[in-house]
Amino acid sequence: DAKTTQPNSMESNEEEPVHLPCNHSTISGTDYIHWYRQLPSQGPEYVIHGLTSNVNNRMASLAIAEDRKSSTLILHRATLRDAAVYYCILPTYGQNFVFGPGTRLSVLP
Amino acid sequence: SQTIHQWPATLVQPVGSPLSLECTVEGTSNPNLYWYRQAAGRGLQLLFYSVGIGQISSEVPQNLSASRPQDRQFILSSKKLLLSDSGFYLCACLLPRRGRDNFNTEAFFGQGTRLTVV
Repeated sequence: DAKTTQPNSMESNEEEPVHLPCNHSTISGTDYIHWYRQLPSQGPEYVIHGLTSNVNNRMASLAIAEDRKSSTLILHRATLRDAAVYYCILPTYGQNFVFGPGTRLSVLP
Repeated sequence: SQTIHQWPATLVQPVGSPLSLECTVEGTSNPNLYWYRQAAGRGLQLLFYSVGIGQISSEVPQNLSASRPQDRQFILSSKKLLLSDSGFYLCACLLPRRGRDNFNTEAFFGQGTRLTVV
């Protein structure tokens, strides 16, 4: 899997937007960018994924740089329930599926 | 839709006892399967992955082993548990998404087993 780099932690105020960055400078042309999040004492859950174009779903938006070497997960209005560890991953089917340490997001009331 | 069943949810075992954690997948066939361990306050450590029946790759040398006796069954075992084996164990599967693009995948996780070795 291509390596990703994320900040260890970030903090946000409730109801404000959050931009979680991820660098993946060694990404290949076929690698999809995935984001998962892990709530306390639970398994990771899917948030969003994309290849080249920006993506939106009910949970978040994913902005992908034109050169695809970085991406940003955007939570438009953070809630207390969004406090979690967010992982940026480039999984490759048929190979191991490695997680980095992720970004621990704290949401302040 | 795909579902991963993982049990038990919690387990307390004495040092030196054996371990068997089971993971089964429903709703798909030929998935890639993974076992992860997460120590308290730490990240997810990949332990084993399997791309098919009887095919196991180990990522970290340790006191654990894995087996895949059936397509949708993945088992994590130990003959003698150590205190350091305590942690949160997660089973996951990686599937190709439907469509023409074979590189587009999706991961699903079980709810995890919290193992405490005493």
